[in-house]
Amino acid sequence: GAGVSQTPSNKVTEKGKYVELRCDPISGHTALYWYRQSLGQGPEFLIYFQGTGAADDSGLPNDRFFAVRPEGSVSTLKIQRTERGDSAVYLCASRSGASASTDTQYFGPGTRLTVL
Amino acid sequence: ILNVEQSPQSLHVQEGDSTNFTCSFPSSNFYALHWYRWETAKSPEALFVMTLNGDEKKKGRISATLNTKEGYSYLYIKGSQPEDSATYLCAFNEYNFNKFYFGSGTKLNVKP
Repeated sequence: GAGVSQTPSNKVTEKGKYVELRCDPISGHTALYWYRQSLGQGPEFLIYFQGTGAADDSGLPNDRFFAVRPEGSVSTLKIQRTERGDSAVYLCASRSGASASTDTQYFGPGTRLTVL
Repeated sequence: ILNVEQSPQSLHVQEGDSTNFTCSFPSSNFYALHWYRWETAKSPEALFVMTLNGDEKKKGRISATLNTKEGYSYLYIKGSQPEDSATYLCAFNEYNFNKFYFGSGTKLNVKP
């Protein structure tokens, strides 16, 4: 079956521009995560959705970052007024259940964002 | 912010060597530890989900152990093969929260 997909795979933008990154989770997965991975670091939690609602957005670095999941499937991460420090690989992951302890997260291939 | 550390940062071994690396995490409020393998240009792939102190899991030549009281997990690879070359990540999940804290990974390079 289809895995988690993310588009675009690469995005180059200029400082100050707005970008949207899309995540298509595995069909039927209610939980969805966004992570950001900067060079030399592990993935850093940004936001967690359970269904349509953001259950935990404590990882969003500031109010330039926003994410939505209006129908409980596809999610979009939106970054306003991009800065060079936003350059990173943005990963999306989904899992089927409500329990984080035993359910596997399935990751997408990531979107590499470069802000010039 | 919880601190999850992995060591070593990178490792170079010859084909056939056995190797192991460490993930350290807070020993309080433990809920689960996940291990992932991330090959270049691919998606991170789940290896193990570990929840109980003393857990030992195995998948082919790869195995992992868990010590929640002292806050560490070991990942072992027996008889490394070039296809094992990847970055191995661990992720800690705290009780009653759904967020995961990742280590920075161990990058393994297996030379033929």
